[in-house]
Amino acid sequence: QQQVKQSPQSLIVQKGGISIINCAYENTAFDYFPWYQQFPGKGPALLIAIRPDVSEKKEGRFTISFNKSAKQFSLHIMDSQPGDSATYFCAASIYNNNDMRFGAGTRLTVKP
Amino acid sequence: DAGVTQSPTHLIKTRGQQVTLRCSPKSGHDTVSWYQQALGQGPQFIFQYYEEEERQRGNFPDRFSGHQYPNYSSELNVNALLLGDSALYLCASSQSGGEETQYFGPGTRLLVL
Repeated sequence: QQQVKQSPQSLIVQKGGISIINCAYENTAFDYFPWYQQFPGKGPALLIAIRPDVSEKKEGRFTISFNKSAKQFSLHIMDSQPGDSATYFCAASIYNNNDMRFGAGTRLTVKP
Repeated sequence: DAGVTQSPTHLIKTRGQQVTLRCSPKSGHDTVSWYQQALGQGPQFIFQYYEEEERQRGNFPDRFSGHQYPNYSSELNVNALLLGDSALYLCASSQSGGEETQYFGPGTRLLVL
């Protein structure tokens, strides 16, 4: 059922550094690409989302870059903080079709 | 404004038993989706309920069934439990006709022995 491939599985970054997580999708009908952040014992929380009509979206320290021709999108976390340590999931769906497909997740650790 | 709530938080069952999980959507939301998240994996879509009917279904067997009530709350039922059903079950709510961003609850951790 997985149609979204996410890498890396785990990532260790120093405080203040940039964290980059990549995702690739197969279904060209996907037109909504959210990123979720999940802390242990909690449900995923929406961080930021993008539609394919733009190539980049920025919200605070979080930026999504989107490459429609390559069917790839990525999350950049600038000035990474220890509080950003969590598991991050990319996802994709067809608008108005909420069968959302998730990547396998990236476990981010930000060292102080 | 309460977010998505789920009950119970944890549950232990034995193989062959049946389980019911409950979800109350975020205020103003009318659509509820259920996901199964195995340890170390991303959530997998089970089904979605809107207007008290199953609108969409993922690749899960008929042992998984659901219900939505007029107040938009929802239940997930799993019959004939298997060891492989052990997972975190997540409920997500959204508002139809709008952005349809899904907001997740904290989940119910099910352990099947």
